[in-house]
Amino acid sequence: QQQVKQSPQSLIVQKGGISIINCAYENTAFDYFPWYQQFPGKGPALLIAIRPDVSEKKEGRFTISFNKSAKQFSLHIMDSQPGDSATYFCAARLTSGNTPLVFGKGTRLSVIA
Amino acid sequence: NAGVMQNPRHLVRRRGQEARLRCSPMKGHSHVYWYRQLPEEGLKFMVYLQKENIIDESGMPKERFSAEFPKEGPSILRIQQVVRGDSAAYFCASSPDSSNEQFFGPGTRLTVL
Repeated sequence: QQQVKQSPQSLIVQKGGISIINCAYENTAFDYFPWYQQFPGKGPALLIAIRPDVSEKKEGRFTISFNKSAKQFSLHIMDSQPGDSATYFCAARLTSGNTPLVFGKGTRLSVIA
Repeated sequence: NAGVMQNPRHLVRRRGQEARLRCSPMKGHSHVYWYRQLPEEGLKFMVYLQKENIIDESGMPKERFSAEFPKEGPSILRIQQVVRGDSAAYFCASSPDSSNEQFFGPGTRLTVL
């Protein structure tokens, strides 16, 4: 049973455009939703994270939108750059008890000039 | 402050051999998580450890796999009698107490011939 579903699997965006990646989760007890960025041959690096008490969080060109009732959250990358080309993973966890992260399958983003 | 360190970065084993993967968490971090990433897949949780204790091993295969985090030294993920299906990237992450964020190492890429 996949607890976090991520789409699309791959995405091609023109330089300067907006990249949008979506995730849906099943466990309503999840209360922490991070996005990770992974470059080839590297480990995932935390990009931005949100708790369910807010509907949006913005850090620079990266924004998380969160819809608690729909159990969905999304990552928006504004003014996408070729350097943003990477694989992006959404994740979720239940913070009490230091539980592990549950990851989506990833989205491979290519930003073309 | 050095990040999470993993070694070796690449490991090649023949079927039936043993693989030992090491993870040194960030300084001051007492929580270690191991994840496995198959090609084109997200990260899947394997085991969560604190110093000298296994907290959650629900993602660990019942046979051939074991993990430890001794009082002194790195955390070790051991795979006995490796099979081709064990070929994957293995990542460890660490976190301090009372933190949502997990910091990932660069991973060990295991290839079983």
